[in-house]
Amino acid sequence: DVKVTQSSRYLVKRTGEKVFLECVQDMDHENMFWYRQDPGLGLRLIYFSYDVKMKEKGDIPEGYSVSREKKERFSLILESASTNQTSMYLCATEGQGPDTQYFGPGTRLTVL
Amino acid sequence: EDQVTQSPEALRLQEGESSSLNCSYTVSGLRGLFWYRQDPGKGPEFLFTLYSAGEEKEKERLKATLTKKESFLHITAPKPEDSATYLCAVQADLPGTASKLTFGTGTRLQVTL
Repeated sequence: DVKVTQSSRYLVKRTGEKVFLECVQDMDHENMFWYRQDPGLGLRLIYFSYDVKMKEKGDIPEGYSVSREKKERFSLILESASTNQTSMYLCATEGQGPDTQYFGPGTRLTVL
Repeated sequence: EDQVTQSPEALRLQEGESSSLNCSYTVSGLRGLFWYRQDPGKGPEFLFTLYSAGEEKEKERLKATLTKKESFLHITAPKPEDSATYLCAVQADLPGTASKLTFGTGTRLQVTL
């Protein structure tokens, strides 16, 4: 079974804070993804990585950065959190593919 | 631009009342169409992948079918535990080793006793 874990289920931060969301997978998958999910908008791709230290922008990368120093770990960074970044953040992994994407449990981030 | 439209937005069924969810798509060359189930406050759970028109996949009370323009998720004799949001996503046939999925906004299904 694919196991994808995210560092927090719920997170509350203040405007302007630097926020780190972490995702860890145990399946030795090459590809990892960060999405955000908002009511009425569906899942939107923020960034993805197809190898260690490699990253590509998704559809909505503004205000975010990512880091992938190890194959199993993919971090999403909000350099200066804003209220419009309040959302559900979902991490996904995919074997060398394209293939099926498997999702983590999500982090509900609230920025006050 | 790839697009996925799911209908209806919400569906309420009685236990045992079969129905279908629709996923219409436009994509520049379809590599795969995916169905996921999502419970409130949780991440999507993979259900099916369909690759070509005419293909069908089944799992318990769920059956997914695919045509060149749409996919259906048929739910036969649903139970309350089938209540969830069902998401459809398409994967375009593009070069590269990582897929880019385009998701619909989902159908929220409620099954009552």
